[in-house]
Amino acid sequence: ILNVEQSPQSLHVQEGDSTNFTCSFPSSNFYALHWYRWETAKSPEALFVMTLNGDEKKKGRISATLNTKEGYSYLYIKGSQPEDSATYLCATFTGNQFYFGTGTSLTVIP
Amino acid sequence: DGGITQSPKYLFRKEGQNVTLSCEQNLNHDAMYWYRQDPGQGLRLIYYSQIVNDFQKGDIAEGYSVSREKKESFPLTVTSAQKNPTAFYLCASSLRQADYGYTFGSGTRLTVV
Repeated sequence: ILNVEQSPQSLHVQEGDSTNFTCSFPSSNFYALHWYRWETAKSPEALFVMTLNGDEKKKGRISATLNTKEGYSYLYIKGSQPEDSATYLCATFTGNQFYFGTGTSLTVIP
Repeated sequence: DGGITQSPKYLFRKEGQNVTLSCEQNLNHDAMYWYRQDPGQGLRLIYYSQIVNDFQKGDIAEGYSVSREKKESFPLTVTSAQKNPTAFYLCASSLRQADYGYTFGSGTRLTVV
């Protein structure tokens, strides 16, 4: 079983603040990394699929970077809004299956 | 609209009874998956299927069984052999594993009393 770690476990920020969190994974046998947003009482929703070292993806105010050599990905949220409150999951694919981290729970305070 | 439907949302069963969780998708995805979530842990893979009539065990398959008779459907049976069945169960599907994100259902919370 692969160890995928996410930090911090939870985060509270004020509306308008920018924030970022980390997903760490073993760099060997890396194929892909996915980021998901999971709002309470809803289904997890795919944010980004990243495969190449140095990949940078952006969707609105949310962006992500990937470093496969050192085994980490950062998710950035610029100007956080209350609707960004959710748990953010990352998952790494090793060739057989995905392994998920425990998530970072973000609360944006209006 | 295309998506994945899991039913029921909440399920209560007595210890020793088998129970089947439903997962149906109309996305024409080949691959389907079952995950389990427990407090403080990441999603853990129970079973997955990449094609009809074929499925593979994940990391925690003991005490569970699945079938994939139709592309659209991937039911999960929690048997009495599963020692700690109370958990939140998520079904997902995808076109291809690594290249595309998963589409998830809304989950079933199973409580065994």
